Amino acid sequence: RKEVEQDPGPFNVPEGATVAFNCTYSNSASQSFFWYRQDCRKEPKLLMSVYSSGNEDGRFTAQLNRASQYISLLIRDSKLSDSATYLCVVNRRDSSYKLIFGSGTRLLVRP
Amino acid sequence: GAGVSQSPSNKVTEKGKDVELRCDPISGHTALYWYRQSLGQGLEFLIYFQGNSAPDKSGLPSDRFSAERTGGSVSTLTIQRTQQEDSAVYLCASSLGQRGTEAFFGQGTRLTVV
Repeated sequence: RKEVEQDPGPFNVPEGATVAFNCTYSNSASQSFFWYRQDCRKEPKLLMSVYSSGNEDGRFTAQLNRASQYISLLIRDSKLSDSATYLCVVNRRDSSYKLIFGSGTRLLVRP
Repeated sequence: GAGVSQSPSNKVTEKGKDVELRCDPISGHTALYWYRQSLGQGLEFLIYFQGNSAPDKSGLPSDRFSAERTGGSVSTLTIQRTQQEDSAVYLCASSLGQRGTEAFFGQGTRLTVV
């Protein structure tokens, strides 16, 4: 079993829709969490960190559920430009703080 | 530079040749990661450095792959006797290596083995 798991998708939604992705992690000692975005043929870039109390950045909301060991990303009012792959990332609590990347969820927003 | 720099950006090599890929992390970043990504696929972890040591090299696919990091800075990924299945984009990322800090990626090296 992978340490960080995501539904690969693709999620195909119309413009203006609300879409949510979940990501599960297996290491209960994971401490920090992030969502990255990767556009086609580009490198991944940080979208937002995920805080214990949940956080919002414009149309994007991230939530953390430690009891069930998952994080979520909600995108409201989807735009065509939101089409990308969204990567879930967790940071282990050990001496190395290694970042573990999920394989990503692909989102396609259609006109 | 301000970001993670990788060179070359593109490399075409003949099967059986050795290649070296270079990564210059952000200054002061102690953690450095190598990933590879085949077309349409997710990130495949290769190796992780903390300083000059590699506590996790579990992702290196074979003994043809090796990596080193010197001075806690520049890292080189070497692929010996390249095979066609090695063709991919090789991505390097660096972070402060502390709790709660994100990683920043370079633009990658696109390797094509012909």
